[in-house]
Amino acid sequence: DAGVIQSPRHEVTEMGQEVTLRCKPISGHDYLFWYRQTMMRGLELLIYFNNNVPIDDSGMPEDRFSAKMPNASFSTLKIQPSEPRDSAVYFCASSSSPDRGGYTFGSGTRLTVV
Amino acid sequence: SQQGEEDPQALSIQEGENATMNCSYKTSINNLQWYRQNSGRGLVHLILIRSNEREKHSGRLRVTLDTSKKSSSLLITASRAADTASYFCATDASKNTGFQKLVFGTGTRLLVSP
Repeated sequence: DAGVIQSPRHEVTEMGQEVTLRCKPISGHDYLFWYRQTMMRGLELLIYFNNNVPIDDSGMPEDRFSAKMPNASFSTLKIQPSEPRDSAVYFCASSSSPDRGGYTFGSGTRLTVV
Repeated sequence: SQQGEEDPQALSIQEGENATMNCSYKTSINNLQWYRQNSGRGLVHLILIRSNEREKHSGRLRVTLDTSKKSSSLLITASRAADTASYFCATDASKNTGFQKLVFGTGTRLLVSP
């Protein structure tokens, strides 16, 4: 398995533009998580899905952020409009049994909003 | 919000020495996990310890858990330069639901010099 695949690896965009981050989880993993990492706030859970259904989105900062999981092999995190304070590394992770085996993280998308 | 706090924030040792990192958390947990993050990369799961376990080993890693003190420690024995990374503890904060979500601590930056 190629692991959790995220794209793009780097994204630089201007304030006000729409940004879409993509994630392909490991096949067979029915949990998918989106995290954001910054120096100031560390790793924050934004939202997670179980069997493609959003379970907890309490970490989504505001209405500018939205996430979807149209099928078991694909998820997107969209920011519209983007702001400089959204600059961070966004990680996607998946798991089949979070209480036994932990999460598998992707390599992340480094987002810079200028 | 962050559940765990690692101590120390940074640790610098020589190859061959042991490295000990501590994690304190606030609420009751189902399990506690440790992850490693190399610079610019995603997190890698190292070890999971359940709330009813006190100690667990995996290769050069030894994890202890004291639920009465709400604390855990990660010991890396005979450290190598390749162990240089940030180490995070993460707790399962969803004790009363069937779903799992991890809340990460602030991390310890470990530098192992040759």
